[in-house]
Amino acid sequence: SQTIHQWPATLVQPVGSPLSLECTVEGTSNPNLYWYRQAAGRGLQLLFYSVGIGQISSEVPQNLSASRPQDRQFILSSKKLLLSDSGFYLCAWTPLYAAGTEAFFGQGTRLTVV
Amino acid sequence: AQKVTQAQTEISVVEKEDVTLDCVYETRDTTYYLFWYKQPPSGELVFLIRRNSFDEQNEISGRYSWNFQKSTSSFNFTITASQVVDSAVYFCALSSYNYGQNFVFGPGTRLSVLP
Repeated sequence: SQTIHQWPATLVQPVGSPLSLECTVEGTSNPNLYWYRQAAGRGLQLLFYSVGIGQISSEVPQNLSASRPQDRQFILSSKKLLLSDSGFYLCAWTPLYAAGTEAFFGQGTRLTVV
Repeated sequence: AQKVTQAQTEISVVEKEDVTLDCVYETRDTTYYLFWYKQPPSGELVFLIRRNSFDEQNEISGRYSWNFQKSTSSFNFTITASQVVDSAVYFCALSSYNYGQNFVFGPGTRLSVLP
């Protein structure tokens, strides 16, 4: 069966420090991968999605970047964190070329920038 | 552009009451998909149901039921005889093939079921 792992679960980082959040999917090949952010008490905002290795689409301009070095690995990064980067970050995947399937989410990373 | 509206920001009910969570969507696509997710306090999003635009048949799963009406672009979710464990944030989401695999989420409705 397919599983998605996301870590760390919680993170407290000072303003200006770098960030690296990692997400891996097991049990499937060539998944579509997503990074979402959820600000406190708000909905999900799509940050990045990827349909393959090295293929990243950004949905909103921001202080963050994403990379997909391997088929089932998706990394969210920042060189210098801002206070506004605080939030709950969720990684998700869907099967490639399978329109209409639900997205499967990781357990999320709660990031607090201080 | 695609959009999902969940007008109810927060709802509080007493245990055993029925509650309906509203979802209204906008899309120009003829083929699209609607979803409901539950986000308990732990934060992980739990998939509840998927509906495609060609299937307006309502669905019931235990205490949960969904009412899909294309005429009003709504996909409402009803919990019958609510329980404290139903307390969570519920998200309605939309995706369509023309937009690839991307999902548009509504802002969510926070449901509190009081004992």
